[in-house]
Amino acid sequence: DAKTTQPNSMESNEEEPVHLPCNHSTISGTDYIHWYRQLPSQGPEYVIHGLTSNVNNRMASLAIAEDRKSSTLILHRATLRDAAVYYCILRGFYNTDKLIFGTGTRLQVFP
Amino acid sequence: DSGVTQTPKHLITATGQRVTLRCSPRSGDLSVYWYQQSLDQGLQFLIQYYNGEERAKGNILERFSAQQFPDLHSELNLSSLELGDSALYFCASSVEGGRAVDTGELFFGEGSRLTVL
Repeated sequence: DAKTTQPNSMESNEEEPVHLPCNHSTISGTDYIHWYRQLPSQGPEYVIHGLTSNVNNRMASLAIAEDRKSSTLILHRATLRDAAVYYCILRGFYNTDKLIFGTGTRLQVFP
Repeated sequence: DSGVTQTPKHLITATGQRVTLRCSPRSGDLSVYWYQQSLDQGLQFLIQYYNGEERAKGNILERFSAQQFPDLHSELNLSSLELGDSALYFCASSVEGGRAVDTGELFFGEGSRLTVL
């Protein structure tokens, strides 16, 4: 399974944008980039995923580098509820492929 | 609410005992995944079933076993329990049968917290 590298922790103030980076230099051509987050005392939840183009949804935006060796999850206006561990995961082509979680980035949001 | 139900939510048992964790996936989801989360190991993938068949295996100990039943619910059996098996066990489901487009998003339950004393 291809590996991702994320900072252990990041901090943000409420209402400010947050850019969470992820490096995945060994990504293969068919790997999708998935982001999940885990709020305290809860199971992980899906945030967003993409292959080559930037993606937007109601939760976040995903910016993917042209060479696909890195990506950035963007939370446009952080709220206290966004405090969580964010996982960047490479997943194979098939939607039945397993997810392998790394250590993730712990995001703290200050009021 | 993800739609995935796990029981029991909490379980306390002794070393050497055996427990069964149950997972009811979202209605119609064919794939079930089991994960273990302990403080020092993070989220570890254990095993995956798809429509009753084992699809992928991760770091699952030989003392652990799982199965998926015809109604698609799954059980994770943990035997000869050790102190180190204390953890949160998550079940996730995905791949709703019959959908033309499926991102394969995994939906996680709230977990079963196992404490081995």
